[in-house]
Amino acid sequence: AQRVTQPEKLLSVFKGAPVELKCNYSYSGSPELFWYVQYSRQRLQLLLRHISRESIKGFTADLNKGETSFHLKKPFAQEEDSAMYYCALLNTGGFKTIFGAGTRLFVKA
Amino acid sequence: EAGVAQSPRYKIIEKRQSVAFWCNPISGHATLYWYQQILGQGPKLLIQFQNNGVVDDSQLPKDRFSAERLKGVDSTLKIQPAKLEDSAVYLCASSVNRGEQYFGPGTRLTVT
Repeated sequence: AQRVTQPEKLLSVFKGAPVELKCNYSYSGSPELFWYVQYSRQRLQLLLRHISRESIKGFTADLNKGETSFHLKKPFAQEEDSAMYYCALLNTGGFKTIFGAGTRLFVKA
Repeated sequence: EAGVAQSPRYKIIEKRQSVAFWCNPISGHATLYWYQQILGQGPKLLIQFQNNGVVDDSQLPKDRFSAERLKGVDSTLKIQPAKLEDSAVYLCASSVNRGEQYFGPGTRLTVT
């Protein structure tokens, strides 16, 4: 079964501290993985996708097929990073996106 | 470019009543999605259209939910009759190709 697991509902860190939001997936094929973000009172929007291999707003994520993980990392958290983060998997056929339950990141001053 | 539009933004109905939501995707986006997001959960795909054809509706409760996308542009999602457990935010999204989806603001439905 296809599944995306985000084990932390809430993650609280201090400004300037490193942050890692965990994402594990279950899928037998070769998925595409994404991180979406929703800031307060804003729409859900794409943050990054693994095939781009780029850094957005200082965030990076590496697909680890051995561990079936796609953790989101940032070396120095900023207050404006406070938001809801969702990990998502697109199956090989490209017809279905499965979202995790989300992790709320709170960056304290 | 204009984003995905949805209406209404909020709706309160009693159980067993009917409700309809409307979505206007970004111009030129062939793929349209409807998601249901229950409080504390991630979005769950209800139905996905490619132009005006259904690609996936495996998680759509077809006894009460229906959706259409006439002319491959706007889409409506209907619930008839509503149940208490249908209380959620209904998100519409669109995309040009596989992967990046652009989301609307959502419709928050409360069933009392």
